[in-house]
Amino acid sequence: DSGVTQTPKHLITATGQRVTLRCSPRSGDLSVYWYQQSLDQGLQFLIQYYNGEERAKGNILERFSAQQFPDLHSELNLSSLELGDSALYFCASSVGLIPNTIYFGEGSWLTVV
Amino acid sequence: GENVEQHPSTLSVQEGDSAVIKCTYSDSASNYFPWYKQELGKGPQLIIDIRSNVGEKKDQRIAVTLNKTAKHFSLHITETQPEDSAVYFCAASGEFGNEKLTFGTGTRLTIIP
Repeated sequence: DSGVTQTPKHLITATGQRVTLRCSPRSGDLSVYWYQQSLDQGLQFLIQYYNGEERAKGNILERFSAQQFPDLHSELNLSSLELGDSALYFCASSVGLIPNTIYFGEGSWLTVV
Repeated sequence: GENVEQHPSTLSVQEGDSAVIKCTYSDSASNYFPWYKQELGKGPQLIIDIRSNVGEKKDQRIAVTLNKTAKHFSLHITETQPEDSAVYFCAASGEFGNEKLTFGTGTRLTIIP
């Protein structure tokens, strides 16, 4: 158990809908990262927050947004969902910035039908 | 941006033999190179990492080597065991202030009993 908690573990929703994925980082970790894993794309970096502020941005679609709250938990919002958004979404956390070790959660499986 | 290539995509070895997975990266400023193991249905777990001021690092049956001149690094697993079967990812990250961790596309390692 990495100490990073993600909910929900599985989610099935229809195209056009909006979902929110939640992440609680390890106790004491200030950085939160979101990654998308699909069969043909590997692990794609979406976005990173550090102590409540956006720190780095990857290939995150405009339909997606995220935030980190004062208690350091984070949420990833996915809207206007398309079939291609079906993937495993991972949250990860680290004490500080890279090259501190990044610990991954178990992921949230999103299926868009 | 950083590009990480990983080979092979699949690897099967007899139990007890060694396994080697290789990665190359494009950004010469990268200085942190972790390796993650992902078991079925779980999040990636850090197994070993190396920083650019070190050429080799070992942890029991696992070792990582880094050649900064050639911009490649490798994972070596000796005396393989069935529990080593998993997908392995290499990753690279740059200097402080460039926190994006770029992953390779993964190697599915199968240990044959």
